[in-house]
Amino acid sequence: LAKTTQPISMDSYEGQEVNITCSHNNIATNDYITWYQQFPSQGPRFIIQGYKTKVTNEVASLFIPADRKSSTLSLPRVSLSDTAVYYCLVLTSNTGKLIFGQGTTLQVKP
Amino acid sequence: GAVVSQHPSRVICKSGTSVKIECRSLDFQATTMFWYRQFPKKSLMLMATSNEGSKATYEQGVEKDKFLINHASLTLSTLTVTSAHPEDSSFYICSARRQAGGTYEQYFGPGTRLTVT
Repeated sequence: LAKTTQPISMDSYEGQEVNITCSHNNIATNDYITWYQQFPSQGPRFIIQGYKTKVTNEVASLFIPADRKSSTLSLPRVSLSDTAVYYCLVLTSNTGKLIFGQGTTLQVKP
Repeated sequence: GAVVSQHPSRVICKSGTSVKIECRSLDFQATTMFWYRQFPKKSLMLMATSNEGSKATYEQGVEKDKFLINHASLTLSTLTVTSAHPEDSSFYICSARRQAGGTYEQYFGPGTRLTVT
């Protein structure tokens, strides 16, 4: 299973764009990159998932370079309610296991 | 996105008793579900993989006789904590896997807070 590395914490201000980068050097050919958001005492919430290049949905964008050894989650114009822990994970299609690392605690300040 | 529910959301039980937690995929069928536990200010730890119609696969260090998992239908998996002790107090979270195009997406339930007194 591919291991992921991401910053432990980040600070931002309301209205700014936040980019969280994750490295996954030993990602396999069939693996996907997936990001989750978790608030205290809640289950993780699916944000976005991608395989290569760029994926965009209504809440975020995911940028994946050609070598797929890293990925960047981009949150446009964050608000205070985006303060949470963000997890970058590699999804292996055959087993489906998601192994959580420590995540990035994002603190959005007014 | 897909919806996964858990019941109960929180439960308090006495030491030595057993507690059952239900996980349901509400709007999709899930042949595979997963159970996690999370301690305060820690990350999620995978406990086991629950496969519909077959035995669960447990991660190393997780006692299968203590944490009984049953996946009787495509929308329901249950976790039973048997003979619970205070050290079993934790936040238990399930997830369900949904097929999406050529791969899968995984959705998590809201979690169940277990307190053993």
